[in-house]
Order: sequence, then C-alpha cells, then structure tokens
Amino acid sequence: DTGVSQNPRHKITKRGQNVTFRCDPISEHNRLYWYRQTLGQGPEFLTYFQNEAQLEKSRLLSDRFSAERPKGSFSTLEIQRTEQGDSAMYLCASSIRGANYGYTFGSGTRLTVV
Amino acid sequence: AQTVTQSQPEMSVQEAETVTLSCTYDTSESDYYLFWYKQPPSRQMILVIRQEAYKQQNATENRFSVNFQKAAKSFSLKISDSQLGDAAMYFCAYRSTQGGSEKLVFGKGTKLTVNP
Repeated sequence: DTGVSQNPRHKITKRGQNVTFRCDPISEHNRLYWYRQTLGQGPEFLTYFQNEAQLEKSRLLSDRFSAERPKGSFSTLEIQRTEQGDSAMYLCASSIRGANYGYTFGSGTRLTVV
Repeated sequence: AQTVTQSQPEMSVQEAETVTLSCTYDTSESDYYLFWYKQPPSRQMILVIRQEAYKQQNATENRFSVNFQKAAKSFSLKISDSQLGDAAMYFCAYRSTQGGSEKLVFGKGTKLTVNP
C-alpha cells in the first residue's frame, strides 16, 4: 500500500493550453474522487467514480473538464483551454468502504495558469 | 444544500496544552456523518476523526476527541497535549446519507499553530 499517488505535483501552464493530471488510487480501492481546492478554501467536490463508472459530477465540472477511469484503476482529469480561474490544487482520493468512512487523499497536483 | 462553517480562520496553542476547534453545519437531515481532516503544509490530508450522527457518544482517537452537539449542529475538535506535529490546517466535513451522493462538504479550515 503506497497510498494515493498524483502526478505531476506541480504544473504551470499558459492560459488556453490543455492539461492532464493522473491519479493512482490505493490498489484495492474501487471508489475514486476528484476535488479542487483554491487558496483559503476547503476542498470542493468535482466527481466520483466507482470502478470505471463515473457516477457523480458536480456542476463545478464545466464542459472544459473531463475525467476518466478507463479500467477502474488509475484516473485522469483533463482541463481544456485553461483559464486563470482554474489555478488550484487538484486533489484525488480513494476509498474501499465509501464516503461514510472518509477517504484517503493524495498529495495533490498544484496547477498554476499564467 | 448543506454548509459547513469554521468560524476560526486561525488558532494557536502552546505545546502540551489543549485547544478546541469549532465547526457548525447546516442541514435538515437526521442521519449523516461528520469528519475532521488534518492537512499539514505541503502534505496530504489525513482523516483525524469521524462521527456518526445517530451515535450520541462522542468519538475519540487518542489525543483527539469531538464534542458533537446534534441539536445545536455543532461538531468541535479538541486536541489534548498538543504537539508540534499537530500544526496544520484542520478541515471539518459533512457527508449526507440522502440521495446516494458520495461527496463530502468541507468548511474553509482553521490554521492551527503550535508554539514550543
């Protein structure tokens, strides 16, 4: 059990570029979550997968955002045509027992859009 | 929609002393879950303690305990014998059991400083 791994740790991109982040959950965890955390705020829910199925999406997940978990293992979060407002920490979490028991979070990917 | 409020943006405590972090929430539900998470600087969020709303007994994990007041919709975290390693952002979170949502709703956090 190496925990939830996120790559890259930091990403600086120019406005208008596309970026993709990767999350590798704890291997036996079938549930995977993405959150966004801006400065001075708590994490905000983006989306949830159970195995490969995306079962829940927040209205925060605009058309420019897409998340996948193709084989029920790792997940990717892509942001197209990045905007300065997308600058944030993107957190991935996983669980095996569901949200009632809390999640295990990764260290996050910090995105800076310049 | 449920909301979580942490009214103390920053708190400080002397090493070995006790500190209490406040959290209130707004909900019309009777069954839910509450959490406290710790986020050390540049490190991942860690689950500190969890409370099931239908349980009247306050949860305890070693030096960490909660004061859960369901009627007042209050869920404070008490840290006893504070240690330097307790310095972090602390987030209170709520999980609804209605509608099958898996999301947690977080407060804005309280930054805890531990002074030697």
